[in-house]
Formats: sequence, C-alpha cells, structure tokens
Amino acid sequence: DTGVSQDPRHKITKRGQNVTFRCDPISEHNRLYWYRQTLGQGPEFLTYFQNEAQLEKSRLLSDRFSAERPKGSFSTLEIQRTEQGDSAMYLCASSLMGARAEAFFGQGTRLTVV
Amino acid sequence: QQQVKQSPQSLIVQKGGISIINCAYENTAFDYFPWYQQFPGKGPALLIAIRPDVSEKKEGRFTISFNKSAKQFSLHIMDSQPGDSATYFCAASKGNNDMRFGAGTRLTVKP
Repeated sequence: DTGVSQDPRHKITKRGQNVTFRCDPISEHNRLYWYRQTLGQGPEFLTYFQNEAQLEKSRLLSDRFSAERPKGSFSTLEIQRTEQGDSAMYLCASSLMGARAEAFFGQGTRLTVV
Repeated sequence: QQQVKQSPQSLIVQKGGISIINCAYENTAFDYFPWYQQFPGKGPALLIAIRPDVSEKKEGRFTISFNKSAKQFSLHIMDSQPGDSATYFCAASKGNNDMRFGAGTRLTVKP
C-alpha cells in the first residue's frame, strides 16, 4: 500500500448519466476526504468521513452527490444526473486522526461531462 | 466564499533565486496552515505546515513565515530549482479537517 488510490483516473460521460468514483485510502487511515478541483483553482472541500461516519458535508455537495464509506475502508462518490458544471478533478485524501495528522492526496479522477 | 486569498497567481524566478508566495486568511479559528505542491496530473502533496504558536518554520530550502496579527503567512523557497516548477497551494483549517485552499500559484523556475 503505497498511497491513496483513485479509480478511474479519467471518466467521460454524457450529461444526465450517473457516475461513481472509488477511493482506497492508506490502510491505517481512519479519516477520508473528498475534494473537487476545477482548472486553475485550489481544491474545494466536499465531505469527510471518520471511519464509516460521514461527519461533514459542504454546501457544494448538492443532492445529486452522495458519498459512502461502508466498513470504514474504501469510499465511493456518486454523482447522479451529471451536468456540464460537474466537470472537474475529484480528489480523495486520507489521514490518521489528530489535528497534526498529514492528509495524503490521491491522483484524482478527472471527470468530463459532454 | 474564498476564505484564503493567495498571490501571486503566477511567478517566474531564475534558478538560484528566492520564490515568495503569500496568503491571507479570514477565519481566526484556523489553526493549521499547510502548503501543498502539485505537479500536472498529480494530486497535491504536503510540502510544509505551520501552526499559529510559532512565527516561522524551516525545512530544507522551504520556509513558512506566519503573522498571526495580520492573518497572513508566506512560503519562501530558497535557491529555487527548475524541479520546483509546480503549482503551490496554501491552505488553512481548524484541525486538519475541511481545509480551505487558496487559488494556487504557478511557479516557473528558469534554468
């Protein structure tokens, strides 16, 4: 286990379709975060989990977005009825608990909605 | 709402020079200020971080200066190298949850 793994790396979908992304965190990390990054901008926080509990969600996370982390291991982010504005890089990060714990990012899933 | 403002948007430095990137934050509850480095096609990687109980932290060629009263912090890259060419993001958070990122600075170090 060398880091945070995200799948797929790239996804092209037609507007209105549903997409699901997967994130496998570093195995001993109990915190998992999802961020969205658009071109030329910094990552924007979407949501985070501590073990299997989703503790915080950004107002950016509309009703079309849902995230899960069953059993506190891998996580999925689903976007329903995709829109062109959903096109972005979706980044996952994980960390240990604790205020001084470093968050490690995956390489992201680039979503293009056409 | 942009809670962390970063400048400049882009920066060109000669090899061996000093690169300086500045950030300002609004929320006084923030207590963790990391800097991330991102190469094209990669996720951000933590470079160095500071907490408000110190005014400066140095790791190798990278130094964070922190001014709590002004709510500002900056990254200094000494002896900049072409391999440092990347996009740099400052961030701020309470604990390490819900990090708020700046818009990024694209650094180019010319050989």
